[in-house]
Amino acid sequence: AQSVAQPEDQVNVAEGNPLTVKCTYSVSGNPYLFWYVQYPNRGLQFLLKYITGDNLVKGSYGFEAEFNKSQTSFHLKKPSALVSDSALYFCAVRDTGNNRLAFGKGNQVVVIP
Amino acid sequence: DGGITQSPKYLFRKEGQNVTLSCEQNLNHDAMYWYRQDPGQGLRLIYYSQIVNDFQKGDIAEGYSVSREKKESFPLTVTSAQKNPTAFYLCASRTSGGSYEQYFGPGTRLTVT
Repeated sequence: AQSVAQPEDQVNVAEGNPLTVKCTYSVSGNPYLFWYVQYPNRGLQFLLKYITGDNLVKGSYGFEAEFNKSQTSFHLKKPSALVSDSALYFCAVRDTGNNRLAFGKGNQVVVIP
Repeated sequence: DGGITQSPKYLFRKEGQNVTLSCEQNLNHDAMYWYRQDPGQGLRLIYYSQIVNDFQKGDIAEGYSVSREKKESFPLTVTSAQKNPTAFYLCASRTSGGSYEQYFGPGTRLTVT
């Protein structure tokens, strides 16, 4: 079965510093990978996806993600973090067998002013 | 959250009562999903439906039921058989074909006492 792992529970970063949220995946076949963000008591918002093509994917709110096939990783990045980026971030992968998404457990990002 | 509505935002029930959570979408999406979110556990799939009048169990379907009589509606009933129903419930939808990203509603927080 397809799965993703988000190894860190919480990521703390100072405002203005680069932000990285890590995700590794396990799939059979070509991966379809996604990042979502969730603010407190809200639904998930889609940030970006990787299907094929360039390994660097650009998404909403200045976020980007780098697909690395050899390391089976899809890390989310932002060059300069804002306090408003403090939220819960989820990585997900498409399950090719049934078109479901398998979500990681989420990473809490705290941007310190 | 646009295009998918969930009501109510907060719901309180007594133990032993069935309760139905509403999910409506105006995105003309074929597939709809119900997830349960508990702190530190990420998202777990309860039920999903890929077309009208058809649905499949997810990973934690016990104690829940759904119907899909209309394309735009996918209500979830939390029955008295669900042993720990207090949670944040998220509905999502996606178009058929395409790249498989799901779009989420704002969620319903159910508290059972």
